Amino acid sequence: SQTIHQWPATLVQPVGSPLSLECTVEGTSNPNLYWYRQAAGRGLQLLFYSVGIGQISSEVPQNLSASRPQDRQFILSSKKLLLSDSGFYLCAWSRAGIAGATPGGYNEQFFGPGTRLTVL
Amino acid sequence: AQSVTQLGSHVSVSEGALVLLRCNYSSSVPPYLFWYVQYPNQGLQLLLKYTTGATLVKGINGFEAEFKKSETSFHLTKPSAHMSDAAEYFCAVSRPFNTDKLIFGTGTRLQVFP
Repeated sequence: SQTIHQWPATLVQPVGSPLSLECTVEGTSNPNLYWYRQAAGRGLQLLFYSVGIGQISSEVPQNLSASRPQDRQFILSSKKLLLSDSGFYLCAWSRAGIAGATPGGYNEQFFGPGTRLTVL
Repeated sequence: AQSVTQLGSHVSVSEGALVLLRCNYSSSVPPYLFWYVQYPNQGLQLLLKYTTGATLVKGINGFEAEFKKSETSFHLTKPSAHMSDAAEYFCAVSRPFNTDKLIFGTGTRLQVFP
């Protein structure tokens, strides 16, 4: 079975410090990977997604960056954190799709447990 | 472009009462539709999904949703609320076989009172 891990679970960082959040997936290969952020009282904001190693799509301009150094590893980074970077960060994966494949076998995203980031 | 609207950011019900969480979508092609639940400080968990076939979809924890094309809706219901149903619920839409993104609604927080 597939599992998705995120760490750390919680993080408190000062403004201006760097950030590195890691997400890994087990039990599948060539997944699509996603980073989302939830700010307090708000919905999910897609930050980045990746369909393969080294392939990153950015959804919104921001202070963050993402990398995918290995097939099942997705990293969210920042060189200098801002107060506005505080939030709950979620990593997710989905199966890479093939046109005409079994309906419902794709598209569904599976989420990790999240990282609570507080920037002070 | 696809979009999702969840009417009501907060819904409160009494334990044992009907739960109705509303979701309307906009899509130029027949969509895939999803409901996710998020408990405090946790990731999202899939409740149910509609892809093709039967328009009434049953999910986990006694929830179900009906795809109504004419109303562009995919409302989530549960006949009798339980205290453990208190959580945030997200509706999402995607294009069939296009696996790059889900479009999420802004979420509805469900409170259940004894």
